[in-house]
Amino acid sequence: SQWGEENLQALSIQEGEDVTMNCSYKTYTTVVHWYRQDSGRGPALIILIRSNEREKRSGRLRATLDTSSQSSSLSITAAQCEDTAVYFCATGANTGKLTFGHGTILRVHP
Amino acid sequence: EAAVTQSPRNKVTVTGGNVTLSCRQTNSHNYMYWYRQDTGHGLRLIHYSYGAGNLQIGDVPDGYKATRTTQEDFFLLLELASPSQTSLYFCASSDGGPDTQYFGPGTRLLVL
Repeated sequence: SQWGEENLQALSIQEGEDVTMNCSYKTYTTVVHWYRQDSGRGPALIILIRSNEREKRSGRLRATLDTSSQSSSLSITAAQCEDTAVYFCATGANTGKLTFGHGTILRVHP
Repeated sequence: EAAVTQSPRNKVTVTGGNVTLSCRQTNSHNYMYWYRQDTGHGLRLIHYSYGAGNLQIGDVPDGYKATRTTQEDFFLLLELASPSQTSLYFCASSDGGPDTQYFGPGTRLLVL
């Protein structure tokens, strides 16, 4: 999980495997963002799931949201080497700002 | 596509030095943000703004000032830089609320 006192997490998998990253949050949110950050670049949004959705899919990505347990997950199906990156979840309401988790380093090996 | 640019991309200064980081967005977004990124801490919000002349305090504002001169331009000022401010700084813009934030490429700052 990305939140609280947890350190930055790292996952290492083989190409073709599925992987799931988890995120728990502490405050009310109307949306959970998942961002991807490639080495040397700024984060970029890859999928967004709103509080009235339980699941959202985009290509090989699947995001889930459980507002009762205040948790979200991001799954990547059949991971590829180019999926190697740092993945962040971020939450926000109507305050004009987002709160980011510590991130998960994903390494996909050929 | 959204465009956020930052300058300089790399900066080295000494303790006590004066540093200004610049950010420009051409997305016509109202909101702009300054973050710092350090290993193990993710992205932490320093200051943000919802329009020219407006400034909101973020989660880690100590030692930083910011100024939003136009809708496009947002500056981060370190007037007495300290080694603890060595970090990777990102600027972002958005339409506000919980909307998508578009990030610049980052500025790597080293304070000796």
